[in-house]
Amino acid sequence: RKEVEQDPGPFNVPEGATVAFNCTYSNSASQSFFWYRQDCRKEPKLLMSVYSSGNEDGRFTAQLNRASQYISLLIRDSKLSDSATYLCVVNIDYGQNFVFGPGTRLSVLP
Amino acid sequence: DAGITQSPRYKITETGRQVTLMCHQTWSHSYMFWYRQDLGHGLRLIYYSAAADITDKGEVPDGYVVSRSKTENFPLTLESATRSQTSVYFCATKFAGNNEQFFGPGTRLTVL
Repeated sequence: RKEVEQDPGPFNVPEGATVAFNCTYSNSASQSFFWYRQDCRKEPKLLMSVYSSGNEDGRFTAQLNRASQYISLLIRDSKLSDSATYLCVVNIDYGQNFVFGPGTRLSVLP
Repeated sequence: DAGITQSPRYKITETGRQVTLMCHQTWSHSYMFWYRQDLGHGLRLIYYSAAADITDKGEVPDGYVVSRSKTENFPLTLESATRSQTSVYFCATKFAGNNEQFFGPGTRLTVL
């Protein structure tokens, strides 16, 4: 089983839709969690960290469920510019071991 | 302020040749990382460095060598390139007290 798994998609949604991505991780000792965004043929960029109590940044909401070992990302009112691949990232031990999921591709259609 | 630069951006080489990918940062971040990205695998850590002259292996270090004689540079060398090393290579940096990683633009390497 891979350490971090994501639905590869693609998710094709119309503008204005709400879309949710899930990510599961296998190591219960995982300490910190992130969502990165990667545009086609570009480098990944941090979208948001994921806190235990859940957190929101504009149209984006991230949640963590430690008991079930999954992380979610909700995007409301999707924009064309949200089209990208979303990477789930887990830090295992407060060290430098950041494990990336394979990514979920989102296409927002006009 | 360029942040993180990688060179070359594209490289085609042949099996058995030595190749060095360069990474340079202008931020003085303590940590530097090398990842490779392949379809279906996500980014996988090759090596990382906590400071000058301190390096450590990641998930997939075999066939790669790194050095960090200066804080700002973190070159990655493929000693004898193989076709399985065809990939996109990303360098990243991070502050010591923060978990956000900043990535360079990547190097697309093809080994024929």
